[in-house]
Amino acid sequence: QLQLQESGPGLVKPSETVSLTCTVSGASIVNINYYWGWIRQPPGKGLEWIGSIYYSGSPHYNPSLKSRVTISVDTSENQFSLNLNSVTAADTAVYYCAGHRRIAAAPYYFDSWGQGTLVPVSS
Amino acid sequence: EIVMTQSPATLSVSPGERAILSCRASQSVRSNLAWYQQKPGQAPRLLIYGASSRATGVPARFSGSGSGTEFTLTITSLQSEDFAVYFCQQYDDWFPFTFGPGTKVDIK
Repeated sequence: QLQLQESGPGLVKPSETVSLTCTVSGASIVNINYYWGWIRQPPGKGLEWIGSIYYSGSPHYNPSLKSRVTISVDTSENQFSLNLNSVTAADTAVYYCAGHRRIAAAPYYFDSWGQGTLVPVSS
Repeated sequence: EIVMTQSPATLSVSPGERAILSCRASQSVRSNLAWYQQKPGQAPRLLIYGASSRATGVPARFSGSGSGTEFTLTITSLQSEDFAVYFCQQYDDWFPFTFGPGTKVDIK
């Protein structure tokens, strides 16, 4: 059973960087069947895909966030990470890490989710 | 970017009744559509993928249909645990993956 757990600071100031880590258990992050992704949800709003990465490939980002986002994989720790810089109050959200199925080398639906972590951006 | 829309925004249903939720894509996504259920304070949970295939452990009262641009999630005989928000997501056009704004199913 694949399990994911986000970790990171609880509060970030405007203009700073949100740094989150997702620890994967129940499977290796070096898994040909999964991409690894980040999704966020502002309070009371919908879901926004941030970006995804395959363990041996280049990350892919939402064009709306691309200039501020970096996603990377640490295979030795079975983790993947998100950095979002120059944050504003509009980046306040619950941030989820998720695994999405890789089928025929393509990313598909998200079938495993972390519990999410709220990141408020406030001075 | 493919824009996903959902209707209605809120659906009020009595326990035991049927709920029909709609999702529309701005262009064809073939059958590359998923449905998720989200309860307050919880992460989304995959219900349906491939427009009509139930994920592991999902009860048979949940069914999905459609292809192209029009999709439907049907919940027959609503149970108390089914009152939640439901999102659709397309994965035909990658990067960006896009979600619908959600339909809240609440108790009538």
